[in-house]
Amino acid sequence: DAKTTQPPSMDCAEGRAANLPCNHSTISGNEYVYWYRQIHSQGPQYIIHGLKNNETNEMASLIITEDRKSSTLILPHATLRDTAVYYCIVRTSANTGNQFYFGTGTSLTVIP
Amino acid sequence: DTGVSQDPRHKITKRGQNVTFRCDPISEHNRLYWYRQTLGQGPEFLTYFQNEAQLEKSRLLSDRFSAERPKGSFSTLEIQRTEQGDSAMYLCASLADSYNEQFFGPGTRLTVL
Repeated sequence: DAKTTQPPSMDCAEGRAANLPCNHSTISGNEYVYWYRQIHSQGPQYIIHGLKNNETNEMASLIITEDRKSSTLILPHATLRDTAVYYCIVRTSANTGNQFYFGTGTSLTVIP
Repeated sequence: DTGVSQDPRHKITKRGQNVTFRCDPISEHNRLYWYRQTLGQGPEFLTYFQNEAQLEKSRLLSDRFSAERPKGSFSTLEIQRTEQGDSAMYLCASLADSYNEQFFGPGTRLTVL
């Protein structure tokens, strides 16, 4: 699975959009981009995933560049509860059974 | 609660002792994963089961580690002759074939004194 690069930390003001970047320049054509987050002392929580097209759900939006070498997770209106470590992962479809490779992620702090 | 559960949530043991952790996945999920997480790092893959078959093991899983999933339901992870370097959070996740999302349990935090 391709490797990802994320900034180690970011701050965001409460109520503003949080934009978390991820580079995955070696991504293959069949690899998906997944985002998980981990709030302190809890297990990781799924946020969103995508292949080529931009995706949106009730938690976030995922913007993938046309060349698929980078992506951005957008939390449209950050709240204090969004303070967490956010992991960007690329991997083949779940149907292959492969595990996730988590990096060190981005520690997002939402500031009141 | 229909999520992934893990037991115990915390375990303190002395070096050299054996410990066993249990994971109960979501009932219809046939895939089960174990991960280990140390402070400041993301989770690292240890092993993966599809039903009762252990299909993949990381090189992180030394001979002192063994995992089982009898009958393809709950799973256990045993660490023999624990070392201080085994201190970590041990996470379990499950997945159904038809989904892309791994559901994680709350983890078992192991401290080896």
